[in-house]
Amino acid sequence: EVQLVESGGGLVQPGGSLKLSCAASGFTFSDSAMHWVRQAPGRGLEWVSRITAKADNYATSYSASVKGRFVISRDDSKTTVYLQMHSLNVEDTAVYYCRRTVSDYPFDHWGQGTLVTVSS
Amino acid sequence: SYELTQPSSVSVSPGQTARITCSGHVLAKKYARWFQQRPGQAPVMLIYKDSEGPSGIPARFSGSSSGTTVTLTISGAQVEDEADYYCYCAADKNHFFGGGTRLTVL
Repeated sequence: EVQLVESGGGLVQPGGSLKLSCAASGFTFSDSAMHWVRQAPGRGLEWVSRITAKADNYATSYSASVKGRFVISRDDSKTTVYLQMHSLNVEDTAVYYCRRTVSDYPFDHWGQGTLVTVSS
Repeated sequence: SYELTQPSSVSVSPGQTARITCSGHVLAKKYARWFQQRPGQAPVMLIYKDSEGPSGIPARFSGSSSGTTVTLTISGAQVEDEADYYCYCAADKNHFFGGGTRLTVL
């Protein structure tokens, strides 16, 4: 069974940093692209970042709203993906979901999310 | 920049057919996916490659595409289908969701 378990969320002050983790199991992690998607309270889904599989050279991409502030990374030996977030502001307050996809295959799995609250 | 436009809400009676559209220029060149999100839950993929249904998804959910618009059709909507629905598309390094459609079945 595919499992994605996010952790690391919490309350942080504006301008602060936070690192999210997503522990994966139940599938071949190294073959999967991993994403972070967020959802602000009462709002829609917003794609944040993606890191490709090893076969695609671990390429990274970011939404315009987080580029330069967030960094996605992965450790295939630990089957974990990370999101390092810097210079957080109140607009970054959201539930952050970890997501797994595989190119050209109908695999699209999500974790249950971790809440990040940016507030003074 | 890429944008996907969805109606904010759709309402049907139980047993009726619900159709949710998603429009954007990129859809003429790239495939879309559809997700269902029930309150307090993570999204679940319903459709990929515009019209393909993954295993485990009820057959009443189907997708179609025409030009710059993709459509999610729920044939014989049930009360349990009341949820938010999102289209999604990826183009090169750009990934984006539509604004979401709240489906009411009552």
